[in-house]
Amino acid sequence: GDSVTQMEGPVTLSEEAFLTINCTYTATGYPSLFWYVQYPGEGLQLLLKATKADDKGSNKGFEATYRKETTSFHLEKGSVQVSDSAVYFCALSDHSGNTPLVFGKGTRLSVIA
Amino acid sequence: DAGVTQSPTHLIKTRGQQVTLRCSPISGHKSVSWYQQVLGQGPQFIFQYYEKEERGRGNFPDRFSARQFPNYSSELNVNALLLGDSALYLCASSLAGGSYEQYFGPGTRLTVT
Repeated sequence: GDSVTQMEGPVTLSEEAFLTINCTYTATGYPSLFWYVQYPGEGLQLLLKATKADDKGSNKGFEATYRKETTSFHLEKGSVQVSDSAVYFCALSDHSGNTPLVFGKGTRLSVIA
Repeated sequence: DAGVTQSPTHLIKTRGQQVTLRCSPISGHKSVSWYQQVLGQGPQFIFQYYEKEERGRGNFPDRFSARQFPNYSSELNVNALLLGDSALYLCASSLAGGSYEQYFGPGTRLTVT
């Protein structure tokens, strides 16, 4: 079945450092890809999404590009802030959006001042 | 606008007991999905309901059941609780039945002792 693999955490960075969180997927067809963020004590928030190959999703300084050739959707941010400390989840669904979300295990990010 | 609301926030139950979790979707949303998030893991799909009909079911035992009411709110029931049912239970709502733009609630933290 479909699956998502994320880099293991936790990731600890200093403020203003560059962030990359790796995500690769296995799916039949061409899925839609998502990054969700979970702040402490809260539910999941959609951070960004991409629905076809070479699409770039972006939001709040974060971005990720849908790479069909490498089946990847890596999350990047040029300069992290303490407020970015959270758990980040990569997820997929089928292209039509008619299947439930399949999530990776999550990557915890801690940003220190 | 009110987001997805869930109740209760926290719950402690004993093995063998039964529990009911409640979810109110965003106004106008007709689809509700339930996910289980075990500590340190990504959310796992349990059920999806759309217009009061079950649209999908994940790989969970029959002890798990759900329903959606005419006002589109939903309940998740778990019978004969096991220690392994301890988790954060997340509800997500969307306009239609797909995975696009799912909005998550804060979750119900269930602890089984």
